[in-house]
Amino acid sequence: GQQLNQSPQSMFIQEGEDVSMNCTSSSIFNTWLWYKQDPGEGPVLLIALYKAGELTSNGRLTAQFGITRKDSFLNISASIPSDVGIYFCAGQPPSGTYKYIFGTGTRLKVLA
Amino acid sequence: SAVISQKPSRDICQRGTSLTIQCQVDSQVTMMFWYRQQPGQSLTLIATANQGSEATYESGFVIDKFPISRPNLTFSTLTVSNMSPEDSSIYLCSVKSSEGSYNEQFFGPGTRLTVL
Repeated sequence: GQQLNQSPQSMFIQEGEDVSMNCTSSSIFNTWLWYKQDPGEGPVLLIALYKAGELTSNGRLTAQFGITRKDSFLNISASIPSDVGIYFCAGQPPSGTYKYIFGTGTRLKVLA
Repeated sequence: SAVISQKPSRDICQRGTSLTIQCQVDSQVTMMFWYRQQPGQSLTLIATANQGSEATYESGFVIDKFPISRPNLTFSTLTVSNMSPEDSSIYLCSVKSSEGSYNEQFFGPGTRLTVL
């Protein structure tokens, strides 16, 4: 079945640094969603991308829908301690359903 | 976005018993989904809860183990039947926004299940 590979799997960064993570697949997707999950909570939607090449921002977060439709990127600028959590990408295949496939997750830890 | 609540938020259950998880949305939504998140893992779709008809299950999940109900457009239940320790996971309800044609999905807070 289709899989989404996220990298890095985990990362430790200093407060104030910028963060980049990506999600790749061998298959194309119609929509990309990026979520953040805090411990003990459900995932919270950060950004939604609908067109190849689309670049969308939400505060310090910027995400891009890859031109090939097989990847997506999330950047966080000037990280702060509350950015800690697990970030998941989710891709919707062009199968005519509303189902999403979730990536393996990137665990972010910010060192103050 | 819709406000989604789940009950219970967590539970500890004995092997062989069943638990029913409730999902309530504050507005009518077209689609509701149930996901499982095993410890330290990503999210896996269990099934799509269909209003007024049987749920649509993903490969590896069956109705006898995970019966689902959806009596209306704001409520659904997932039952985890005949539980074993391998069923220990977070179970998440998710809804597709009914606004426009956007395919965004929103999640409830999850139900953390531990099976002894």
